[in-house]
Amino acid sequence: GESVGLHLPTLSVQEGDNSIINCAYSNSASDYFIWYKQESGKGPQFIIDIRSNMDKRQGQRVTVLLNKTVKHLSLQIAATQPGDSAVYFCAEIYSSASKIIFGSGTRLSIRP
Amino acid sequence: NAGVTQTPKFQVLKTGQSMTLQCAQDMNHEYMSWYRQDPGMGLRLIHYSVGAGITDQGEVPNGYNVSRSTTEDFPLRLLSAAPSQTSVYFCASQSMRGSTADTQYFGPGTRLTVL
Repeated sequence: GESVGLHLPTLSVQEGDNSIINCAYSNSASDYFIWYKQESGKGPQFIIDIRSNMDKRQGQRVTVLLNKTVKHLSLQIAATQPGDSAVYFCAEIYSSASKIIFGSGTRLSIRP
Repeated sequence: NAGVTQTPKFQVLKTGQSMTLQCAQDMNHEYMSWYRQDPGMGLRLIHYSVGAGITDQGEVPNGYNVSRSTTEDFPLRLLSAAPSQTSVYFCASQSMRGSTADTQYFGPGTRLTVL
């Protein structure tokens, strides 16, 4: 069935380095994809999204890349800071079914 | 504008008890949904609604009921609580008008323990 999953469950990066979090999806009919950040004890917080007709979208310190050929989504965080420590989820939206399906998450930890 | 509110924040139940988790939003969002999040796991969709009077099942609907009598409220009912339903429950709402994901908001969560 359709699924959204992550390649790496944990990621440790040096403060100041760039972080890249990956996500694979299986439903080529999805309309768009979202990255969420979830800090401990809190609900997910929207970071950035990308429509299926786009390849790249940039926000503040974050960039999302979409490769529809291999059904791969990535989140790049520039100059990673301690405040970026969290679990990051990708999510897939099927507008036709009005469903938002989350992946299992990647924990990002920052080394000082 | 309170966003998405959930009550209670914490709840302990005994096996077999029933209860309702409340969710409300004041943003006039059409789409509302319930997720559960188990330790170290992602969010799994339980039920969702695209508008008042309309509900549908998500990935893990068994053991839960929902109703959407108003746009603002989307309660989740546990019919007969089981230890497997111990989890953190998140409610979310989203505007579907412009199909823009940045209008999705999550509530603070309800931590449920079933003994």
